[in-house]
Amino acid sequence: LAKTTQPISMDSYEGQEVNITCSHNNIATNDYITWYQQFPSQGPRFIIQGYKTKVTNEVASLFIPADRKSSTLSLPRVSLSDTAVYYCLVGDTRGGADGLTFGKGTHLIIQP
Amino acid sequence: SQTIHQWPATLVQPVGSPLSLECTVEGTSNPNLYWYRQAAGRGLQLLFYSVGIGQISSEVPQNLSASRPQDRQFILSSKKLLLSDSGFYLCAWAGTGVNGYTFGSGTRLTVV
Repeated sequence: LAKTTQPISMDSYEGQEVNITCSHNNIATNDYITWYQQFPSQGPRFIIQGYKTKVTNEVASLFIPADRKSSTLSLPRVSLSDTAVYYCLVGDTRGGADGLTFGKGTHLIIQP
Repeated sequence: SQTIHQWPATLVQPVGSPLSLECTVEGTSNPNLYWYRQAAGRGLQLLFYSVGIGQISSEVPQNLSASRPQDRQFILSSKKLLLSDSGFYLCAWAGTGVNGYTFGSGTRLTVV
């Protein structure tokens, strides 16, 4: 699986848009980019997945440039409840048999 | 809909005692199943994965073992727990064509 690099922590305020960028220079042709959210003492929760360009769902948007060597998770109008650890993963995650490799993620802290 | 059940939620065990954590999945067949461990303040570490009944692959040599006696049941075991086995254990499943992995609620294991 391609290695990813993302900031260890970020701070923002309620109502702001938060963008978390992940670098994955060695992404392979078949790799997808997936983001998870984890609250303390809970399992990670799938947020969004994409292959190229832009993907949007009810929770977030994922922006992927043409070279796919990075991706940006965008959380619109964050609230205090968005405080969590966000993981960026790259690989064949559509039911891949060898599991996912999670890094330390980005600890996002939202303040009032 | 698919659901994943993991128990117990918390467990305190003495050093040298055995361990058995169970994970079951409902609403799907032939899922890929995974056991992860998360130490305090660290990322998730893949321990075992299984693509079918009786098929177990280990990612990290350790004091733990896994078994898959039924299609939707995954068990994590140890004959003698060590202090270093303490952590947050998560079970996850993935199916063909599903975007991303679904995690259970986790078991907080404290070995004393």
